[in-house]
Amino acid sequence: DIQMTQSPSTLSAFVGDRVTITCRASQSIRSWLAWYQQKPGKAPKLLIFKASSLENGVPSRFSGSGSGTEFTLTISSLQPDDFATYYCQQYNSYSYTFGQGTKLEIK
Amino acid sequence: VQLVQSGAEVKKPGASVKVSCKASGYTFTGYYIHWVRQAPGQGLEWMGWINPNSGVTNYAQKFQGRVTLTRDTSINTAYMELSRLRSDDTAVFYCARVYWNYEEGTFEEFDFWGQGTLVTVSS
Repeated sequence: DIQMTQSPSTLSAFVGDRVTITCRASQSIRSWLAWYQQKPGKAPKLLIFKASSLENGVPSRFSGSGSGTEFTLTISSLQPDDFATYYCQQYNSYSYTFGQGTKLEIK
Repeated sequence: VQLVQSGAEVKKPGASVKVSCKASGYTFTGYYIHWVRQAPGQGLEWMGWINPNSGVTNYAQKFQGRVTLTRDTSINTAYMELSRLRSDDTAVFYCARVYWNYEEGTFEEFDFWGQGTLVTVSS
């Protein structure tokens, strides 16, 4: 199975900061990577698909990059609504794997 | 598009639970349904998928032998049954819709999710 290693597990930042979350795959997944945002008590919400494509309705301050085994999610200027937990997910095969999650906290 | 899941359940260890996921707003047989487990305070864990058109399933190795995914196309509903429940199965279970990309020969991302169903396993 493909393993996904996400870092950091927790990130503290100020409103207005630029932040980056990293996800590494144990083998190449080409560009078959998605990023989700989850708030407490809610289902995850799709932000980015195919590594760098922005889902409809998601603010342009979110961006994704990478291919192969290294991927990043960047939020260019943190807004109060962005404090949540973020997960990467690979879908290169018939099985899926999620990263462990990154909890983004207000500093 | 909506995926509406059944309500919270409380089960005893060793019992089974069956969670439903009713789809609306799209062609049910045109998208796969996947299931994800999230234990309290923990991350997301993929459990498996079902092709509502054919009924073909694929399960994560961790859940093989304990999970059964089925569907009823007459009512656009998918089901996840988990048997031999343990206390560490206490979790929220989500269904999610996924498109099969025929050109690329691969699944795509989870674009719509159900609201989640809390299953509590306690004696």
